[in-house]
Amino acid sequence: GDSVTQMEGPVTLSEEAFLTINCTYTATGYPSLFWYVQYPGEGLQLLLKATKADDKGSNKGFEATYRKETTSFHLEKGSVQVSDSAVYFCALSDPPRTSGSRLTFGEGTQLTVNP
Amino acid sequence: KAGVTQTPRYLIKTRGQQVTLSCSPISGHRSVSWYQQTPGQGLQFLFEYFSETQRNKGNFPGRFSGRQFSNSRSEMNVSTLELGDSALYLCASSLFLAPYNEQFFGPGTRLTVL
Repeated sequence: GDSVTQMEGPVTLSEEAFLTINCTYTATGYPSLFWYVQYPGEGLQLLLKATKADDKGSNKGFEATYRKETTSFHLEKGSVQVSDSAVYFCALSDPPRTSGSRLTFGEGTQLTVNP
Repeated sequence: KAGVTQTPRYLIKTRGQQVTLSCSPISGHRSVSWYQQTPGQGLQFLFEYFSETQRNKGNFPGRFSGRQFSNSRSEMNVSTLELGDSALYLCASSLFLAPYNEQFFGPGTRLTVL
């Protein structure tokens, strides 16, 4: 079945540092890939998405590129801020006609950014 | 446009009891999915409803059930609660079969089983 693997956490960085959170996936078809963010006490918010190979998703300074050859979707940001402290989830979804709206999530990576 | 709302936000129950959680999707969204979030298992898919029919189901015991009403609101029920059912239960809504399955999540219901 489908699965998503994220890098071990937690991750602690200083403000303005470069961020990478690794994500690799296993899927039988051609999934869409997502990064979600969860702030304390809240639900998940979609951060960015990519729907086919070589697509780059971007939002709020975060970027991730869909790499089919390495089955990866690593999240990057050039300069993190304290407000970026949250838990980040990588997720995939198979084509909706085969699996509906089901998302498969990675374990989540806790990011803490210190001033 | 209002987001996904979930009620109640917090619940405390004892083992053996049952519980019902409610979710109101974004207006116009007809698909509602439920997820369980725990520190040990992470985020796991429970089920999805569209047009009052369960379309997809995760790997959970039959104690977990749900339903959807004609106005797309959904409820999930857990019977005979166990300590391991303590979790954050998240509801997400979407346009079923919409491109790329973009899901919009509610804030969750925190269930504690004592």
